[in-house]
Formats: sequence, structure tokens, C-alpha cells
Amino acid sequence: GQNIDQPTEMTATEGAIVQINCTYQTSGFNGLFWYQQHAGEAPTFLSYNVLDGLEEKGRFSSFLSRSKGYSYLLLKELQMKDSASYLCAVSGGSYIPTFGRGTSLIVHP
Amino acid sequence: DAMVIQNPRYQVTQFGKPVTLSCSQTLNHNVMYWYQQKSSQAPKLLFHYYDKDFNNEADTPDNFQSRRPNTSFCFLDIRSPGLGDAAMYLCATSTDATGTLAKNIQYFGAGTRLSVL
Repeated sequence: GQNIDQPTEMTATEGAIVQINCTYQTSGFNGLFWYQQHAGEAPTFLSYNVLDGLEEKGRFSSFLSRSKGYSYLLLKELQMKDSASYLCAVSGGSYIPTFGRGTSLIVHP
Repeated sequence: DAMVIQNPRYQVTQFGKPVTLSCSQTLNHNVMYWYQQKSSQAPKLLFHYYDKDFNNEADTPDNFQSRRPNTSFCFLDIRSPGLGDAAMYLCATSTDATGTLAKNIQYFGAGTRLSVL
């Protein structure tokens, strides 16, 4: 089985930087995904990590440490529109990702 | 634009009255998934199709069935909806991705929010 843990809620200020952590336990590993989900909408793909290290994509970066079962999503220069739920999903032995509960990020002025 | 489309966006049904949710895709992806998502919870995989091969999750109730008549369409049938089945239902697709370094990015539809009265 798989176990994915991420904080329930975080708040941050517009223009700031926020780091959302995800820890996981899986049997086998085929990659870790981050998705963004605005309230009442479908998740949209943000990033994918399968090797250790940092992947940068504009204001968003994602980090993975396979030995620690740990990832984080880093959001820079926060904007109000970044208020959303951020879902960590892990592919274990199969190619189908299992989702965490998501971290609700609230960005305030 | 290539996309995943779910109809309807909102569905209201009565307790015990069968309901069908639909999903179509123009991405020509091999894999289609159905997820159930309740408020503030993780999307829960109900089942998926790998081409025509149906894969049911062990804990998916028998009340939930699915059909995939062709590559583009997939349906979720709830035979006798209960109050506990009220949720957002998400359809997703992905390419045929296997192997250690293969991505399996999922593309989601906007979802159907089901209410059971």
C-alpha cells in the first residue's frame, strides 16, 4: 500500500515564498506528481519528479529525495490566484498515481 | 483544443434512482480513469480502463459500474445511489506509460458534482 502525508492547510502573503511538503511511503516508486486544484475544479498537472533533485518551472519548483520519501513544492512570488489545493500524488509499483488529501493554500494580500 | 469533457457538470438524482455520468476525450489516450472526490479529501480511484481492459479497485462498491464503448468515451453508472455517493466525480486520461522513467501525467475533466436527494 501507499501512504501520503501533506499538511492540511497553509497561509501565505502575496509576493512571498511558500514550501508545501509531502512525505510518502510506497512499495516501489515510479515518480511523484504535484497537481493544483482550484475549488470546484479539476486538478491540473504542475510537476513531475522521478530522480532526486530540484525541477524548476517558472515560479514553481519541485524537489524530490527518494531515500527520505520526501518532496516539496516551492511557490515563489505568490499571487492571489495561487490560492488552491495542492495535491501530491505518487506512482508506486503500478503506473497509477495515488493522491494525498491535498494542502489548501490561502494567499492573502 | 484536445481535452477531457465531462457531462453534466452538475447532476441531481434521487436516492436509489440510477444515474449515468459521461466522459469523452480528444487526446486519444489509452487509459481512462474514474475518481470519486469528497470535500477536502483525496481523489479516490474507482476503476480504470487500459484500452478495453477494465480494472476495478478492490474497495469499489458493486453499486458502481463502468463502460468504455470506444477509445473516446467512458461512462460511470451508479445503479442505486445512496446519500454517501454524493461527491465530485472526476474523469481522467493518460497515455500508455510504464517503466521506471516513464511519466503518467493525468489530464482531468472538469468533473461532475453529484447530489443525491
